[in-house]
Amino acid sequence: AQSVAQPEDQVNVAEGNPLTVKCTYSVSGNPYLFWYVQYPNRGLQFLLKYITGDNLVKGSYGFEAEFNKSQTSFHLKKPSALVSDSALYFCAVRDMEDSSYKLIFGSGTRLLVRP
Amino acid sequence: DGGITQSPKYLFRKEGQNVTLSCEQNLNHDAMYWYRQDPGQGLRLIYYSQIVNDFQKGDIAEGYSVSREKKESFPLTVTSAQKNPTAFYLCASSMGQGLADPQHFGDGTRLSIL
Repeated sequence: AQSVAQPEDQVNVAEGNPLTVKCTYSVSGNPYLFWYVQYPNRGLQFLLKYITGDNLVKGSYGFEAEFNKSQTSFHLKKPSALVSDSALYFCAVRDMEDSSYKLIFGSGTRLLVRP
Repeated sequence: DGGITQSPKYLFRKEGQNVTLSCEQNLNHDAMYWYRQDPGQGLRLIYYSQIVNDFQKGDIAEGYSVSREKKESFPLTVTSAQKNPTAFYLCASSMGQGLADPQHFGDGTRLSIL
């Protein structure tokens, strides 16, 4: 069965410092991996995805994510955090072998960037 | 601007009442989805539709119903059988042409019990 784990409920960083939001996944085949961000009382916004190819994926707002197949991880990173990055972040996975369009989401990680 | 419109933004349900949440998209996407979001639990899939006039149950379909009569519209009805309907409901769509397509989300409807 497909699953996604975001081991940290909350991540706290100071503005200007690098940030990492962790994600590990489990699928029977090869994964498609996604990161989304959610601001209060809003829907999810797509940040980036990994399909195949380079393990380092660049996305919106200066975010990037590193795919590590051996560790089954897809951690979200940003070199220099902004206060405006404070939000709820979701990792999601889809199994390439699954013919449905179902996406499995992690439970979310709240990022708090302090000034 | 292309996007997904959910209405209403806030909705209150009385005991024994069915309520319908609207979801409209003008992205020309084939696939549409309904999720329920509860605090600390992430998103759980209620129903999804890959094509007009066809839809599939997700992980928590009990107490909900949907229809897909038009490509642009995918309304969700929360029936009186759903005993704990208080949640944030999110509608999403994707092109449906490939499994790598990201889903695009509306801004949600917050449903509460009166």
